Amino acid sequence: SQTIHQWPATLVQPVGSPLSLECTVEGTSNPNLYWYRQAAGRGLQLLFYSVGIGQISSEVPQNLSASRPQDRQFILSSKKLLLSDSGFYLCAWSVLWTGNLREQYFGPGTRLTVT
Amino acid sequence: SQQGEEDPQALSIQEGENATMNCSYKTSINNLQWYRQNSGRGLVHLILIRSNEREKHSGRLRVTLDTSKKSSSLLITASRAADTASYFCATDASQGGSEKLVFGKGTKLTVNP
Repeated sequence: SQTIHQWPATLVQPVGSPLSLECTVEGTSNPNLYWYRQAAGRGLQLLFYSVGIGQISSEVPQNLSASRPQDRQFILSSKKLLLSDSGFYLCAWSVLWTGNLREQYFGPGTRLTVT
Repeated sequence: SQQGEEDPQALSIQEGENATMNCSYKTSINNLQWYRQNSGRGLVHLILIRSNEREKHSGRLRVTLDTSKKSSSLLITASRAADTASYFCATDASQGGSEKLVFGKGTKLTVNP
């Protein structure tokens, strides 16, 4: 069965510090991978998605970047965090089933607080 | 841009009652999906309805889709306290390699015991 891991679960970082959040997927090959951010009490904002190794699409211009060094690894980074980067970060994966159906499966999330 | 918009934003009901949440969207879709999120957790996929389907059931869940009105509803029957969560609709309008869902802002459901 497929599983998705995110770490760390919580993180408190000072403004201006770097960030690295990691997401890995097990039990599937060549998944699409996604990074979302969710502000408190709000919906999900798609930040990046990737359809393959080294292929990153950015949805929102911002202080963050993403990389996919391996098929089942997706990393979210920042060189210098801003207060506005605080939020709940979710990683997700999907595969294309027959008939153009695409469900997404989410990790447990990382709660980032920038102080 | 925001695709799905759920309403109401918040809903509070008593255990045993039915809960209905609505979602409206703007563009043509391949399918529409509903997800559930418990507080502080990741989202869990509940049900997917294709653009050529009008109604789908899964246990106590009933989803309808009206593509002419660009709207969907999620009905939870005989609600339980454990149904307390936020519910999100997500639309799949993927075309030409655009591989993404667009999520609404969600409905926060509280089921009181």
